[in-house]
Amino acid sequence: GAGVSQSPSNKVTEKGKDVELRCDPISGHTALYWYRQSLGQGLEFLIYFQGNSAPDKSGLPSDRFSAERTGGSVSTLTIQRTQQEDSAVYLCASSRQELHEQYFGPGTRLTVT
Amino acid sequence: AQKITQTQPGMFVQEKEAVTLDCTYDTSDPSYGLFWYKQPSSGEMIFLIYQGSYDQQNATEGRYSLNFQKARKSANLVISASQLGDSAMYFCAMRESYNQGGKLIFGQGTELSVKP
Repeated sequence: GAGVSQSPSNKVTEKGKDVELRCDPISGHTALYWYRQSLGQGLEFLIYFQGNSAPDKSGLPSDRFSAERTGGSVSTLTIQRTQQEDSAVYLCASSRQELHEQYFGPGTRLTVT
Repeated sequence: AQKITQTQPGMFVQEKEAVTLDCTYDTSDPSYGLFWYKQPSSGEMIFLIYQGSYDQQNATEGRYSLNFQKARKSANLVISASQLGDSAMYFCAMRESYNQGGKLIFGQGTELSVKP
């Protein structure tokens, strides 16, 4: 079956612009996670969705970051007023239920110039 | 303190030989899960194997096995009969039960290179 998909695969943006990253989880997976992978920080958790609600937003680095999920499916991660330190690969993962193994998408490579 | 420690930034192994990738963890949660993921150069994270803290036996999945030593808080990944396609980054991760939602905490990774 189809895996987790993310778009765009690459995004180059100018400092100060807003960006939206999209994640389509595996069909039927109720839990959805966003992580960020950067050279200096490794893999960091950002936010977790169960259905359309986000019980854990503890990893969002600042109020410039927000995310939503609609219809218990697609999720969008929005970064406002991007900064150079936001440059990273943003990974989305989904799982059937919250304590099951997570399946990752290919990621979105964000470069802020 | 690091929750997940992978002390080997890079490893080399000869094709067809076995290799062990080290992972130690730190938690006070009695119920936790340990995962290994593979990340090839393409970037996608591929789930390999899972071990629950209450599992009595070490997990195995094909050529992958997890050497779980609870008292030592280690969860080493063993890859038997290495193949060229095993060359990748390998990440150890932990999920603690009191973290609502089961977010994963990752180690820094080990880059494995398989030599022909």
